[in-house]
Amino acid sequence: GAGVSQSPRYKVAKRGQDVALRCDPISGHVSLFWYQQALGQGPEFLTYFQNEAQLDKSGLPSDRFFAERPEGSVSTLKIQRTQQEDSAVYLCASSSAGLTQPQHFGDGTRLSIL
Amino acid sequence: KQEVTQIPAALSVPEGENLVLNCSFTDSAIYNLQWFRQDPGKGLTSLLLIQSSQREQTSGRLNASLDKSSGRSTLYIAASQPGDSATYLCAGIYNNNDMRFGAGTRLTVKP
Repeated sequence: GAGVSQSPRYKVAKRGQDVALRCDPISGHVSLFWYQQALGQGPEFLTYFQNEAQLDKSGLPSDRFFAERPEGSVSTLKIQRTQQEDSAVYLCASSSAGLTQPQHFGDGTRLSIL
Repeated sequence: KQEVTQIPAALSVPEGENLVLNCSFTDSAIYNLQWFRQDPGKGLTSLLLIQSSQREQTSGRLNASLDKSSGRSTLYIAASQPGDSATYLCAGIYNNNDMRFGAGTRLTVKP
């Protein structure tokens, strides 16, 4: 597709369940970012990939959060044993060269933990 | 931790008015600064990217300035339209993967 695609758009899970969020970046974009956006706040950095390499995961809030990009294209953000504080919008962005070029964002996955 | 602050949090103006949105950052060692627009339920759309060597960027009715010494950026919107209603976010870029966002200004332009 022409833009960054994220799925699902909405996800409701019970506390303690595992969830997986998918991001399809723009074709050819080597850089991929995950962000977490709480209601009324700006996005906060979670992790960064350059091709298949996860170069920075300093923003992941706990070891329950795991991200991968095994073939350097599609990425999955997995949250294990979800907690209510994990409820947020998870945004994915891609660019052709880190932050030296503008990022293109997907519409996000709105995660609600009951 | 570098912080990015946006004032005001919300702004309502009549159609046709010129307006200024403000962004301040605590660390002047900024690499680039970027302004985004976010519509409800959507991701972010990049509006303007100002590199540290630049002082401003213009695109149509939008003009963004960057003053590193004072730690400030402004987004100027001329002749506002109802379609400009959205949340505007600024983000300081500190290296190739460190981008820190403000909480945004929610703009409403009334017809």
